[in-house]
Amino acid sequence: EDQVTQSPEALRLQEGESSSLNCSYTVSGLRGLFWYRQDPGKGPEFLFTLYSAGEEKEKERLKATLTKKESFLHITAPKPEDSATYLCAVQAQETSGSRLTFGEGTQLTVNP
Amino acid sequence: KAGVTQTPRYLIKTRGQQVTLSCSPISGHRSVSWYQQTPGQGLQFLFEYFSETQRNKGNFPGRFSGRQFSNSRSEMNVSTLELGDSALYLCASSLGGTQGEPQHFGDGTRLSIL
Repeated sequence: EDQVTQSPEALRLQEGESSSLNCSYTVSGLRGLFWYRQDPGKGPEFLFTLYSAGEEKEKERLKATLTKKESFLHITAPKPEDSATYLCAVQAQETSGSRLTFGEGTQLTVNP
Repeated sequence: KAGVTQTPRYLIKTRGQQVTLSCSPISGHRSVSWYQQTPGQGLQFLFEYFSETQRNKGNFPGRFSGRQFSNSRSEMNVSTLELGDSALYLCASSLGGTQGEPQHFGDGTRLSIL
């Protein structure tokens, strides 16, 4: 059974204080690992897809990396508008379709 | 380009009733997936439809069902509602290939059971 564990559950940062979120996964063959951002009252917003170990993707202050067992979302010099819940999800090779298995998320708060 | 649209945004029902939720995918997307989100369980996969056929199904009871129309719009039905069905129901669409393409989510329908 595919499993995704995210840590920490919650993270408070001061504006400008860089940090990383962790996503550990167990899957029988990874087709893709996905990062989403979710704001209160909204649906998840797609950020990145990573397909193979060693791959990195960047977008503004966010950088996602992937190893064979985990992924990190690095946040550089965060701003208050980066406050949100960040979700990690995996899609297995054996999946017949688009099914995603999600972690519980990391709730990030960036204080001004 | 319009995103995924879910209606209604909010619903209040009582135990034993049934409910139908609607999802219009991004134009050109043929796959529609449904997820249930609760504080205790996070996002859990319900089912996926592609070209009007159910392609994948999660571990939910038969009270949860869905369908997809020829224009790719999808509906989800929950019968004999229980208090535990209170949740945010999210719909996601994608092109429908099998190469790990991302899914794009709507803002959900918040279902409350009294």
